[in-house]
Amino acid sequence: NAGVMQNPRHLVRRRGQEARLRCSPMKGHSHVYWYRQLPEEGLKFMVYLQKENIIDESGMPKERFSAEFPKEGPSILRIQQVVRGDSAAYFCASSHGIYSYEQYFGPGTRLTVT
Amino acid sequence: DAKTTQPPSMDCAEGRAANLPCNHSTISGNEYVYWYRQIHSQGPQYIIHGLKNNETNEMASLIITEDRKSSTLILPHATLRDTAVYYCIVRVVNPYNQGGKLIFGQGTELSVKP
Repeated sequence: NAGVMQNPRHLVRRRGQEARLRCSPMKGHSHVYWYRQLPEEGLKFMVYLQKENIIDESGMPKERFSAEFPKEGPSILRIQQVVRGDSAAYFCASSHGIYSYEQYFGPGTRLTVT
Repeated sequence: DAKTTQPPSMDCAEGRAANLPCNHSTISGNEYVYWYRQIHSQGPQYIIHGLKNNETNEMASLIITEDRKSSTLILPHATLRDTAVYYCIVRVVNPYNQGGKLIFGQGTELSVKP
């Protein structure tokens, strides 16, 4: 049973470009969470999605960030017009949401903005 | 979610038991205690969780005091690969909120030494 998959693992973008981060949850999981870890800082929740719905986006920056989890395909975290302060590790987690609530994390995407 | 307090760092000799404490004195009756760890730069890893009773799995044991105001994660035979930051998190989990976000504190940095 494959774990949570994230790609790309490393992403380099110039200031002003767009970054798209993908997350495929574990098989059978329909709940996805995104977290961000800035350099030398702790993990911070960003957004919680179920298929086609955003459940909690209380941790999302107000501008430039968006997330989706379509009926088919992976969840996407999109950052428009990236700035240097967006450089961080972005982790995705998934949970079953019905029979269990543990969140299982992917390996993360390391975004570097130059 | 209730706040937790953990020591910032601990050392443990390889092969010995590692006992990681966590205080959660304001925990509510319906809040579970969860433990995760993050090995350097990797995605966090779920370890164990419990409500009232002590729990054990292949990774660790969780001891929760009778008043539920504190708990201890026990790694029975620590290895070098257990060196990581360990997070104690309390959260309400039920079919209505389906778990929701994890709020990570600073955790305990455990160093297992040969």
